[in-house]
Amino acid sequence: GENVEQHPSTLSVQEGDSAVIKCTYSDSASNYFPWYKQELGKRPQLIIDIRSNVGEKKDQRIAVTLNKTAKHFSLHITETQPEDSAVYFCAASSEGSSNTGKLIFGQGTTLQVKP
Amino acid sequence: AAGVIQSPRHLIKEKRETATLKCYPIPRHDTVYWYQQGPGQDPQFLISFYEKMQSDKGSIPDRFSAQQFSDYHSELNMSSLELGDSALYFCASSLPQGSNTEAFFGQGTRLTVV
Repeated sequence: GENVEQHPSTLSVQEGDSAVIKCTYSDSASNYFPWYKQELGKRPQLIIDIRSNVGEKKDQRIAVTLNKTAKHFSLHITETQPEDSAVYFCAASSEGSSNTGKLIFGQGTTLQVKP
Repeated sequence: AAGVIQSPRHLIKEKRETATLKCYPIPRHDTVYWYQQGPGQDPQFLISFYEKMQSDKGSIPDRFSAQQFSDYHSELNMSSLELGDSALYFCASSLPQGSNTEAFFGQGTRLTVV
């Protein structure tokens, strides 16, 4: 089955710096890669996603890159702010009529942005 | 906009008791997923349903069962509860496979087994 590895487990940056979180996946059939932000005790919230037909996607301060050959994808947050502090999860899934769409999550990265 | 509704939000049970968690998906979403998230852990896929049929199964203990009803809501039944079952349980719903399958998560049910 699919396995997703996420690094680093913790990341501390100064406000205004950039943060990068990396994930690798094992199943070449995976074609949908969402990123979730989760605050303590709350639901995971989708912040950005990418599908395997594109290599990069950007939404304001957040960008995601995908390297299908190497089976890895990364989250980039620029100009970090204290409110970006949270746990971030990457995930992998297979979309399509013959797939169930279940998400396999990485282990999570605790991001701390210091003012 | 309507979101995924889970009930109850909090539940405290004793060991060996049973619990039932409910999930009401977003209207027109016919796919429901259940995830279990232990403290400091990532969400683990338990089980999913599509059009009222089980579509996939993950690391769900035999003590747990689930189903999706004709109105597409789903229930997760947990029996012989153990201390290790204490976790956040999330339900998510999505449109059918083949379309945009972004999963929308409910607010979760925090189960505490004492």
